[in-house]
Amino acid sequence: SAVISQKPSRDICQRGTSLTIQCQVDSQVTMMFWYRQQPGQSLTLIATANQGSEATYESGFVIDKFPISRPNLTFSTLTVSNMSPEDSSIYLCSVGWGSAGYTFGSGTRLTVV
Amino acid sequence: QKEVEQNSGPLSVPEGAIASLNCTYSDRGSQSFFWYRQYSGKSPELIMFIYSNGDKEDGRFTAQLNKASQYVSLLIRDSQPSDSATYLCAVKPNNAGNMLTFGGGTRLMVKP
Repeated sequence: SAVISQKPSRDICQRGTSLTIQCQVDSQVTMMFWYRQQPGQSLTLIATANQGSEATYESGFVIDKFPISRPNLTFSTLTVSNMSPEDSSIYLCSVGWGSAGYTFGSGTRLTVV
Repeated sequence: QKEVEQNSGPLSVPEGAIASLNCTYSDRGSQSFFWYRQYSGKSPELIMFIYSNGDKEDGRFTAQLNKASQYVSLLIRDSQPSDSATYLCAVKPNNAGNMLTFGGGTRLMVKP
């Protein structure tokens, strides 16, 4: 399975600012996803990061708030824009291997104050 | 109705007992089913996946799938305190590309 390096691991940010989270995979992967896990909750898919095209966003998530880049098959970024305390969550990138073996990065714990 | 449902728990079992975790899903066409373990403050790690009806065993873990009844379960034999974590059931729905839908998770506590 792939090894994913995600950074930063945590950050405390002021409201109104933006944070970019990076995800680097040690091999080329077609499928890369960004999830959010709010405190005490399960994982919610934000978007699928598509290489060479715009990300596909799930209901309730928009590009202006969560812009995503996927310049190649090993790297993606998620930006949380114009942050508010409600954005305080853990953000996780994930890569998939066909029908099996979905692996997660170590997560970014974001606190907005 | 949620697409993937789990009892939030906590499920408390004594050390050495069998822990049984259950999950139901709404999309009858779902093909792939996954169990993840998540320790507090950590990211989810894949324990098992199952595609076919019946049981799949891996060490102390057994996944059971019943597509007719739309449920999948995870049995943990000889439970250890180190098994204490939140267990997430994830389903790949039929027409969802390759992303997973997660249940809310069941918190398991194994008491020494």
